[in-house]
Amino acid sequence: GEDVEQSLFLSVREGDSSVINCTYTDSSSTYLYWYKQEPGAGLQLLTYIFSNMDMKQDQRLTVLLNKKDKHLSLRIADTQTGDSAIYFCAEGVNNAGNMLTFGGGTRLMVKP
Amino acid sequence: DSGVTQTPKHLITATGQRVTLRCSPRSGDLSVYWYQQSLDQGLQFLIHYYNGEERAKGNILERFSAQQFPDLHSELNLSSLELGDSALYFCASSSSGGAYRNEQFFGPGTRLTVL
Repeated sequence: GEDVEQSLFLSVREGDSSVINCTYTDSSSTYLYWYKQEPGAGLQLLTYIFSNMDMKQDQRLTVLLNKKDKHLSLRIADTQTGDSAIYFCAEGVNNAGNMLTFGGGTRLMVKP
Repeated sequence: DSGVTQTPKHLITATGQRVTLRCSPRSGDLSVYWYQQSLDQGLQFLIHYYNGEERAKGNILERFSAQQFPDLHSELNLSSLELGDSALYFCASSSSGGAYRNEQFFGPGTRLTVL
């Protein structure tokens, strides 16, 4: 079955790096995604990584994938107060009708 | 702005009633997905349509139904509403109907409150 888990909460100081972790269970996941949700808003796609990659960097965002441990992380460099939001990881499984399975979300609080 | 629009933004109704939520996908996207976000269940996939045809069903109740029209907009119908149906309902669209790289772009959501 599919299950995606994230820690509930992370607090960092402005300018520090944030690392948000995610574990998933379905080994047939093809793509893994990170979404950001600000208060009262929809989900914004931040980045994604294909399952045969170990790392992907996109400006301040770095995604690391450990396929053996089914562990995904999102690192935000130089975290800003505007990065405060809920971050969701999601897995897309090749044979699951294209749906995404989301984790419960990690609330990131950035303190000035 | 993702390019996905949803109406209405807020909906307040009573138990037992029926409502229709509407979604217009990004220009050119053929796939529409519906998700429900609630405090206790998190973000749950409901149903996927591709170019007018149902492709996949998730945790969608029998009281709920959806369709995608020839102009590709989609409607989610919720009937015999219960208090527990109160949630944010998101629509997402993507250009992909296949299984590979499936970046989904989300609308702002419809907040449904059932009193």
